[in-house]
Amino acid sequence: DTGVSQDPRHKITKRGQNVTFRCDPISEHNRLYWYRQTLGQGPEFLTYFQNEAQLEKSRLLSDRFSAERPKGSFSTLEIQRTEQGDSAMYLCASSLRGPGVWTQYFGPGTRLLVL
Amino acid sequence: RKEVEQDPGPFNVPEGATVAFNCTYSNSASQSFFWYRQDCRKEPKLLMSVYSSGNEDGRFTAQLNRASQYISLLIRDSKLSDSATYLCVVPSGGGSNYKLTFGKGTLLTVNP
Repeated sequence: DTGVSQDPRHKITKRGQNVTFRCDPISEHNRLYWYRQTLGQGPEFLTYFQNEAQLEKSRLLSDRFSAERPKGSFSTLEIQRTEQGDSAMYLCASSLRGPGVWTQYFGPGTRLLVL
Repeated sequence: RKEVEQDPGPFNVPEGATVAFNCTYSNSASQSFFWYRQDCRKEPKLLMSVYSSGNEDGRFTAQLNRASQYISLLIRDSKLSDSATYLCVVPSGGGSNYKLTFGKGTLLTVNP
């Protein structure tokens, strides 16, 4: 499968615990994005990387959230001291970079439940 | 006006029906638009791109009215497999349009 992959697919944790999610983009894609989707809403942009550089962070991304893409390939999203409001689907997407708009391909998501 | 606003739905239609979804957007500078489809508990997948006044792909037609900042998606001859949530998407973020802003989605159920 050459699509975007995410791990784990599901995570249940207790409030206050730290969690880390991984995203592996399509291999030739140099842009990687994180979105969050809650029930009944469309995905919301969190942050994106061009190669290893994190170029924008949404105001939704509080200081408990950190994302990295150390070698410009896979990315991790860590949530520290999880809260019940963090329960959501975390989606990763990747695309090529170029003029205009490039299609973002989404991974299957990591569904987080904070108890 | 919200950044992206869609018909709230849900839509329940019989097989073979024609159904249309509407979407309005607030950023008049947006040049291109997308419709994504999302099946229950799955990731969004690109259905259609709209760069000019409209685009047609088989049973699906997307139309754009820049003056009214309005996008529509028409599905003809609905199939059971068309049942999904349809997301209107507007890119933004300067020249490279890296950030996708999604509407809440419109749920379609096609009934036998």
